[in-house]
Amino acid sequence: GESVGLHLPTLSVQEGDNSIINCAYSNSASDYFIWYKQESGKGPQFIIDIRSNMDKRQGQRVTVLLNKTVKHLSLQIAATQPGDSAVYFCAENMGETSGSRLTFGEGTQLTVNP
Amino acid sequence: SAVISQKPSRDICQRGTSLTIQCQVDSQVTMMFWYRQQPGQSLTLIATANQGSEATYESGFVIDKFPISRPNLTFSTLTVSNMSPEDSSIYLCSVGTDPSGYTFGSGTRLTVV
Repeated sequence: GESVGLHLPTLSVQEGDNSIINCAYSNSASDYFIWYKQESGKGPQFIIDIRSNMDKRQGQRVTVLLNKTVKHLSLQIAATQPGDSAVYFCAENMGETSGSRLTFGEGTQLTVNP
Repeated sequence: SAVISQKPSRDICQRGTSLTIQCQVDSQVTMMFWYRQQPGQSLTLIATANQGSEATYESGFVIDKFPISRPNLTFSTLTVSNMSPEDSSIYLCSVGTDPSGYTFGSGTRLTVV
C-alpha cells in the first residue's frame, strides 16, 4: 500500500550546524504534510506543516521544503541545538476522502553533539 | 491548539487482562484518533473514534481487541483487551481541531508481563 518513508534512520550533527531530515512519500493524492518532534517519554509535538500548493514554508529556525515532482519532503533546522535532539517524523494526510487520517514515516533520530 | 489529558501515563499489566486508556480534551473536537507506537518504531493508526457511532478501524485492528468509546466530543477511551506481551507499546490519543492542527497526548506506556 501507500507509505511514507525516511531516507536516514539516524543523523548526528554538531551544535550550531544546520540539520536536514528527509522524507519520501508515495501517495500523490496527499495534500497536507506535517513534521513532528518526539522527545523521549513524550508524545509527538507539532513543528511545522505545509500544504501541497506550496513548496516552502518557514518557521522559527525550521524550514520545510516540498518537492511534489519527486514526492520528497525535507525539514531543515538552522543552528541546531542540543535541545533539538529527538526523533523526527513526517506525516501525510490525504484529506477528507481518507477520513483526514495521518500516515507517519519511519522516523529519524537526530543527535546533536555539543 | 487543544490540550489533551491521557490517563494512565503508564501501566504494567498481567497477560490476559484488559486496560482502558482515557483521553480527555479541553475543547470539543470532531476528529479523534488512537495510535500505537511499538518500541523504537513509528506511529500506526489503530482507529478513528467517531462520536455517536462505531469507531472506524484500520487494517489489522479489530473491535474485539481494541474496543473504543466516544460518548461526546471531548472524551474517548481505548481498551486493550486480553493482553499479551506483544501489546506492550505506547498508545497515543490524537485530535484534529482543523486541517492544520493534529495534537497528540503524552501517551500511555503499557508493559504486559
